[in-house]
Amino acid sequence: TQLLEQSPQFLSIQEGENLTVYCNSSSVFSSLQWYRQEPGEGPVLLVTVVTGGEVKKLKRLTFQFGDARKDSSLHITAAQPGDTGLYLCAGEAGGTSYGKLTFGQGTILTVHP
Amino acid sequence: NAGVMQNPRHLVRRRGQEARLRCSPVKGHSHVYWYRQLPEEGLKFMVYLQKENIIDESGMPKERFSAEFPKEGPSILRIQQVVRGDSAAYFCASSPTSDRPSFFGPGTRLTVL
Repeated sequence: TQLLEQSPQFLSIQEGENLTVYCNSSSVFSSLQWYRQEPGEGPVLLVTVVTGGEVKKLKRLTFQFGDARKDSSLHITAAQPGDTGLYLCAGEAGGTSYGKLTFGQGTILTVHP
Repeated sequence: NAGVMQNPRHLVRRRGQEARLRCSPVKGHSHVYWYRQLPEEGLKFMVYLQKENIIDESGMPKERFSAEFPKEGPSILRIQQVVRGDSAAYFCASSPTSDRPSFFGPGTRLTVL
């Protein structure tokens, strides 16, 4: 069974600070996705990384896939209150996994004005 | 914005009743995934369907749960004789290919009294 461990579970910071969320596993994933979920809504895909060592940027968010494709990180620069939410990482195993994603427990981020 | 539609958004059932959750995928998407989010837990894969076929139901409990995706109409997740432990948020996602799910719906929150 593949597991994804996210850390930290909770993060409370002030507006303008930087933060990093980590997603780690002992298993190799063919791709890894990061989602953001608002209360009462479904996850919204932020980014997909597929190549070991890949770095993708989305405005103030930087996503990195580990060289061995076992871990990933999400870095937010100059956090804003609008970044508050639940951040989820999800990995896809290789082969015939077709969308059978393994999700981490999530990181609840609160950015105070 | 015709994304993934789920209804009802909230469903309350008494123990022993049946729950029917509906999912209309993004127009043109023929691949549907169901995930369950239990309180204090991450999302867990339940089942993957293509039109008229169940491809992978390895995450679905063997008893009381069934899913279908008919040629016409929405995908249905059916839970018979619900128990309190079935209380959760059930999310549907769709994709145009057998790749990872592209869009998640807003979810159905099932409460079993």
